Amino acid sequence: EPEVTQTPSHQVTQMGQEVILRCVPISNHLYFYWYRQILGQKVEFLVSFYNNEISEKSEIFDDQFSVERPDGSNFTLKIRSTKLEDSAMYFCASKPEQETQYFGPGTRLLVL
Amino acid sequence: KNEVEQSPQNLTAQEGEFITINCSYSVGISALHWLQQHPGGGIVSLFMLSSGKKKHGRLIATINIQEKHSSLHITASHPRDSAVYICAAGRGNQFYFGTGTSLTVIP
Repeated sequence: EPEVTQTPSHQVTQMGQEVILRCVPISNHLYFYWYRQILGQKVEFLVSFYNNEISEKSEIFDDQFSVERPDGSNFTLKIRSTKLEDSAMYFCASKPEQETQYFGPGTRLLVL
Repeated sequence: KNEVEQSPQNLTAQEGEFITINCSYSVGISALHWLQQHPGGGIVSLFMLSSGKKKHGRLIATINIQEKHSSLHITASHPRDSAVYICAAGRGNQFYFGTGTSLTVIP
């Protein structure tokens, strides 16, 4: 069964460094999403992406964040200058037109 | 301000019991999602519904659009159902998540 994959599974970085989280959505899916979950808190929507552009973004998704689909298969989330409060689990999801989302396993980011 | 409220926050049940988890939302939605988050952190989408009722195995999800309320039912609960169940309100491509209901089913 096709799956959404994410790399790396864990990343540790120093505050102020840039990180890129990678996702490979399911190949025929059209909509792509990033979410984050700070430890012990609820899942939060960051951004949705369709037709090679952002379709919605939350207040969390400020200028420090960007998304890209550089090559038609990968979907990346970049955090330009990480802060301690960016430490969280980041989930990617994708979906076809009218169906439910498929979530990746997540990347656990720790900012020191 | 919480756009999505779930109850109960925590639930412990004996194996075989019928379980209900409730979700109320305050935003206009295009679809309501029920997700399951396993102890290891992985998330699985259980249902996406915009009206009525859906059933998958022992899981049933219902939604009342007028009352802005949805329920997730688990029949004949089993220890492997132990997880956090999350309600998420989808408005277009924007999503609002509940805080989750942590379910423990005891053998």
